[in-house]
Amino acid sequence: DQQVKQNSPSLSVQEGRISILNCDYTNSMFDYFLWYKKYPAEGPTFLISISSIKDKNEDGRFTVFLNKSAKHLSLHIVPSQPGDSAVYFCAASARQTGANNLFFGTGTRLTVIP
Amino acid sequence: GAGVSQTPSNKVTEKGKYVELRCDPISGHTALYWYRQSLGQGPEFLIYFQGTGAADDSGLPNDRFFAVRPEGSVSTLKIQRTERGDSAVYLCASSPLPRGGGSTDTQYFGPGTRLTVL
Repeated sequence: DQQVKQNSPSLSVQEGRISILNCDYTNSMFDYFLWYKKYPAEGPTFLISISSIKDKNEDGRFTVFLNKSAKHLSLHIVPSQPGDSAVYFCAASARQTGANNLFFGTGTRLTVIP
Repeated sequence: GAGVSQTPSNKVTEKGKYVELRCDPISGHTALYWYRQSLGQGPEFLIYFQGTGAADDSGLPNDRFFAVRPEGSVSTLKIQRTERGDSAVYLCASSPLPRGGGSTDTQYFGPGTRLTVL
C-alpha cells in the first residue's frame, strides 16, 4: 500500500526553464515532508523539507509547496540546470505519532536538456 | 566531514547463504536507519536504532532479517537463508539525536550495498 505517490516516472525540461515535480500522499498523519535527490550509484541526498504548519519553503532555486487539503506537494526548481538531472524522491513522516521512519515515493527521473 | 559509509558496496551471494552488511554512521549521530530499495521503487523502511537499541523494527520483512548496533555507532544488518527476492540496494541513514515530541531530524544516507542473490 503506497502511502506516498509520485505518478510521473520521468520529466524532461529545457535548461533555464522551471521543473515541477509532484507528489501525493494518503496518510493524514504525515506532518513532515522531504525531497531527496539521487544520482546513480549514490545514496539519496537531502534537498529540502517542509513541516505541515507551513505551505511553502524556499531554498535558493528550490521551493517546496504543500497543499494539506489536497494531500499534495510539489517541488519547483527554477532555473533548471543540467546538473539537476537525477531521480527525485518525495518522502514523508508522521512525527506527531513519535515515528521517525520515512515513507518514500517511487521517484521521478528529471532530465534537464542543455 | 565523513558521511555515512557502507560496506561492501556490492555483494553477490547464493540462495540460502548468510550475509552481513555494515553501516558506519556520521560521527555523533545517535539515530540510525536501514532501508531497502528494490528496482523501480523508493526506499522502504526496515529498522530504526536510537543508540544501541532497536526503537522500531516494524519494517523487517520476516525473522530472517536482524540488525544490531552494539556500541551505538556501527550497525550490521544480517540476513539468514537469503532468497532471490532479497536482492535490492540496502541503504543506511543516520541523523542527530531527535528533538523531543517525535521530531525527525534530516536523515543522511550512505551509498548503499547492492545485494544480489543468485
